[in-house]
Amino acid sequence: AQKITQTQPGMFVQEKEAVTLDCTYDTSDPSYGLFWYKQPSSGEMIFLIYQGSYDQQNATEGRYSLNFQKARKSANLVISASQLGDSAMYFCAMREGGTGGFKTIFGAGTRLFVKA
Amino acid sequence: DTGVTQSPTHLIKTRGQQVTLRCSPISGHKSVSWYQQVLGQGPQFIFQYYEKEERGRGNFPDRFSARQFPNYSSELNVNALLLGDSALYLCASSPDGHSGANVLTFGAGSRLTVL
Repeated sequence: AQKITQTQPGMFVQEKEAVTLDCTYDTSDPSYGLFWYKQPSSGEMIFLIYQGSYDQQNATEGRYSLNFQKARKSANLVISASQLGDSAMYFCAMREGGTGGFKTIFGAGTRLFVKA
Repeated sequence: DTGVTQSPTHLIKTRGQQVTLRCSPISGHKSVSWYQQVLGQGPQFIFQYYEKEERGRGNFPDRFSARQFPNYSSELNVNALLLGDSALYLCASSPDGHSGANVLTFGAGSRLTVL
């Protein structure tokens, strides 16, 4: 069964510094996609970044990058130059390919606090 | 471009009642997924529909049901409500639900309180 683990319930970072949010996953499917979403206090889920299992390079989207280590089954999110508006819950998610491709599962999340 | 819309935004029910939540996907999206998010936890997958057929089901009791209409909108029904059903119910749409970087676009959610 597919599984997502986020071991950091909460993280603090100083404004303008970089922070890494950890995510490990478990799947036996060679084809899968990994996602990160942000959920501010308003509640709406916002897509940040995507990494496919066959992608050779780590995904980047502006200040967000995904540190993809396939052998370790980890997909950590790196936020550079943190801003106060980055304070939110962050969720790692995975969708398997093949017959399981219609289900995206989420981790428990990490709450990020950005300090001024 | 209108995003994913959900209704109602908030509702209060009592134990044993039934509730229907509605979702309209982004225009052109054919897949709708439903998630339950209990306070302080990650979203839990309930259902996914694509082209009006159920394509995925999470570990939820039969009290939970859903359907997708020809215009790709969707309804989630929960019967015989329990206190533990109190949660934010999120609807997400995606172009086809399974290929490549099929990013889920979420609505603002329906917050259900069961008393």
